[in-house]
Amino acid sequence: QQPVQSPQAVILREGEDAVINCSSSKALYSVHWYRQKHGEAPVFLMILLKGGEQKGHEKISASFNEKKQQSSLYLTASQLSYSGTYFCGTDQGGKLIFGQGTELSVKP
Amino acid sequence: DTAVSQTPKYLVTQMGNDKSIKCEQNLGHDTMYWYKQDSKKFLKIMFSYNNKELIINETVPNRFSPKSPDKAHLNLHINSLELGDSAVYFCASSVGLAGVETGELFFGEGSRLTVL
Repeated sequence: QQPVQSPQAVILREGEDAVINCSSSKALYSVHWYRQKHGEAPVFLMILLKGGEQKGHEKISASFNEKKQQSSLYLTASQLSYSGTYFCGTDQGGKLIFGQGTELSVKP
Repeated sequence: DTAVSQTPKYLVTQMGNDKSIKCEQNLGHDTMYWYKQDSKKFLKIMFSYNNKELIINETVPNRFSPKSPDKAHLNLHINSLELGDSAVYFCASSVGLAGVETGELFFGEGSRLTVL
């Protein structure tokens, strides 16, 4: 079952904040976040393994709520380099199933 | 040194032809994957291998046949190509055990297949 991400797309000015949500109809044991820049391969950002645990990467952090079966990615003070498509992935029996992606554009 | 490398990066071919994509990783990982990314950027797992053994085989047509000669290599052969096979195919590897738990995925640069 594919997790659902929202929003599908977001446009920001440099320095603005954004939140990307990922929800699943199945119980979540871990959530992965990846970023893919245009024409490149997806790159790992972080894995969240416990409910409520937050992990950070640069100015990007995430939360994981097992009960709500949701994860959120927080991008603070966005930079031009944050532009790309963000994917959440849920580990379903050793298969990483990705959401449909959220396209983030950061403008100067 | 590229961690996960794929060849070729681009393939353009006619319907009905057969093509192969090769993947190699030098990270020492036991697990390798093939993912397909379509024009809407949807990333879908196709296969995964643990140490040369096929573990995950999603509902992929029989025309797709993966082969892993050793744990550092995973190739994908596609027979009788169809228009719908046009996509970017990504190879990936991880420390995690396919079928049990997925660790951080390291992706290759992708192979863009265009079927005319």
